[in-house]
Amino acid sequence: AQSVTQLGSHVSVSEGALVLLRCNYSSSVPPYLFWYVQYPNQGLQLLLKYTSAATLVKGINGFEAEFKKSETSFHLTKPSAHMSDAAEYFCAVINSGGYQKVTFGTGTKLQVIP
Amino acid sequence: GAGVSQSPSNKVTEKGKDVELRCDPISGHTALYWYRQSLGQGLEFLIYFQGNSAPDKSGLPSDRFSAERTGGSVSTLTIQRTQQEDSAVYLCASSFLAGENNEQFFGPGTRLTVL
Repeated sequence: AQSVTQLGSHVSVSEGALVLLRCNYSSSVPPYLFWYVQYPNQGLQLLLKYTSAATLVKGINGFEAEFKKSETSFHLTKPSAHMSDAAEYFCAVINSGGYQKVTFGTGTKLQVIP
Repeated sequence: GAGVSQSPSNKVTEKGKDVELRCDPISGHTALYWYRQSLGQGLEFLIYFQGNSAPDKSGLPSDRFSAERTGGSVSTLTIQRTQQEDSAVYLCASSFLAGENNEQFFGPGTRLTVL
């Protein structure tokens, strides 16, 4: 079964600095990968998804992620952090076999320091 | 348009009581999912519905947990004889189809606190 590992449960960046949130996947077949964001006291919202159409995926709010098969990675980046980016970010992968069972990583809380 | 809604938004109950959590998916979405989010535990899959049937109940943690879906729409997650370890945020999501390329839309969650 597929799984994802998010390195770092908490990441702090200064406002305006690069955001890099790491996600590595484990999959025996080409995966479908997602990044979701959860703002405080809200549900999850899709940021972007990789479905094999393009290795560099652009999402909402200036975020993007690059699928690197050789590294089994799907790291999330943003060139310049805003205060409003403070949230928890989840990497996720679709399990194979019949229906869309999503396996989530443990999440990374992003803190943006003014 | 209307998104996924969940009620109540917060529920405080005493240990041993039963609780019911409700999810209203986006109209027309055939697939519905329940997840549990505990502090420091990430998101835990509980159950998946396709229409009114549940092909995958593998995530339900014990027989105290059950869920149903009626009319291919509203779903109710029931926890019997609640325990303190049941305290968590329960999230519901729906998608148009159950396929690999279908985005799940999440509700805001129900925060359950068992005293």
